[in-house]
Amino acid sequence: SSVLTQPPSVSVAPGKTARITCDRDNIGVKTVHWYQQRPGQAPVVVIYYNNDRPSGIPERFSGFNSGTTATLTISRVEVGDEADYYCQVWDSSSDHQGLFGGGTKLTVL
Amino acid sequence: EVQLVESGGGLVQSGGSLRLSCGASGFIVSDNYMSWVRQAPGKGLEWVSVIYSGGGTDYADSVKGRFTLSRHSYRNIIYLEMNNLRPEDTAVYFCARVLRRLGSWWFDPWGQGTQVTVSS
Repeated sequence: SSVLTQPPSVSVAPGKTARITCDRDNIGVKTVHWYQQRPGQAPVVVIYYNNDRPSGIPERFSGFNSGTTATLTISRVEVGDEADYYCQVWDSSSDHQGLFGGGTKLTVL
Repeated sequence: EVQLVESGGGLVQSGGSLRLSCGASGFIVSDNYMSWVRQAPGKGLEWVSVIYSGGGTDYADSVKGRFTLSRHSYRNIIYLEMNNLRPEDTAVYFCARVLRRLGSWWFDPWGQGTQVTVSS
């Protein structure tokens, strides 16, 4: 399947660890990128190429990709991390080459 | 500072046309791949199109034959010409630079987006 499947929502208490998953058959052979989108704002890349962080993104953000699941991990979650998160792969065989997951709403309790 | 600014969105009737613009600063558009990504109200992100540094283009099947992506190298701007618009094209349209490594592409940075509304 070419679809990237994310849970619609994840909730976590401040200071705890949030894990957001992105599932697809053999996603481990692709490289996965993650975006954060706060309400009313444009997306911002927080992890690229599975586990690289752009400058300015805290070390609390990390990524892992293997098998059928890619995971974005946010450690020591802060209230400001509350946002929608999207995974993305580039799939030249798909009719949507820049393929995005459906998004996960992270709620900080 | 690397920045993108979109303009040209608005309200149009079904079957109508619009041209979106995306101006870049801090880098040269024609040296990069550039994309448009859209987001329907309350929905997720959908890749729309890409223009390669060589000038070639690719489109999502949902817009192929109706949308045309081009650029003006001197002005450092890309354009998305949208024809035969449908209500399902209603979305915020973002332009983004495409970064690449070993065949994998991602989008950074993104513009602030421009709203396109198609009435039926």
